[in-house]
Amino acid sequence: DAGVTQSPTHLIKTRGQQVTLRCSPKSGHDTVSWYQQALGQGPQFIFQYYEEEERQRGNFPDRFSGHQFPNYSSELNVNALLLGDSALYLCASSMTGLADQETQYFGPGTRLLVL
Amino acid sequence: DQQVKQNSPSLSVQEGRISILNCDYTNSMFDYFLWYKKYPAEGPTFLISISSIKDKNEDGRFTVFLNKSAKHLSLHIVPSQPGDSAVYFCAASGREYGGSQGNLIFGKGTKLSVKP
Repeated sequence: DAGVTQSPTHLIKTRGQQVTLRCSPKSGHDTVSWYQQALGQGPQFIFQYYEEEERQRGNFPDRFSGHQFPNYSSELNVNALLLGDSALYLCASSMTGLADQETQYFGPGTRLLVL
Repeated sequence: DQQVKQNSPSLSVQEGRISILNCDYTNSMFDYFLWYKKYPAEGPTFLISISSIKDKNEDGRFTVFLNKSAKHLSLHIVPSQPGDSAVYFCAASGREYGGSQGNLIFGKGTKLSVKP
């Protein structure tokens, strides 16, 4: 049973460019959340997708957008990249339902470096 | 303002002894708490969770204690093993964000080193 997968593993972009990160949830999961982890910090919530719609959003600008596909996989898009967007981007999947079934499981992350 | 705080950036413990990692929170609406372990270059791995209706949850060598009145939780690892060396994150969520489990709010992590 594959866990959460993310691609690519590493990415280098320059300021002003756009980037798309991809995530496939754990089998049986229908909810995908994205987090940004800066060095020395805990992960920070970007947004969550369920039933192909953004259900919740953290304190991130509109440059950060996403999408969820019918097979529950998801994309995170970041436009007009800034140096400060350099971070580890984590995808987590879960199953919406009873509380003890909603534990979020994380993928290995995509390391983004903006030069 | 940090809603979840892990005040100890690091902890060093001898193999076989108990490791105790602490976490404090400020939002009384949080009703679900989790601990994750993270190795370098990997994503966080889920360890154990606890609902606010409980005060203790145990899974093998890992036990989480929740003290709601103090808004404090702790993770006990007994006995500690060198393979437990990692960064441990405390996370919390609440249902006021929209019915289903909300987003996770993380602490900054505690780096545990277990020495042989």
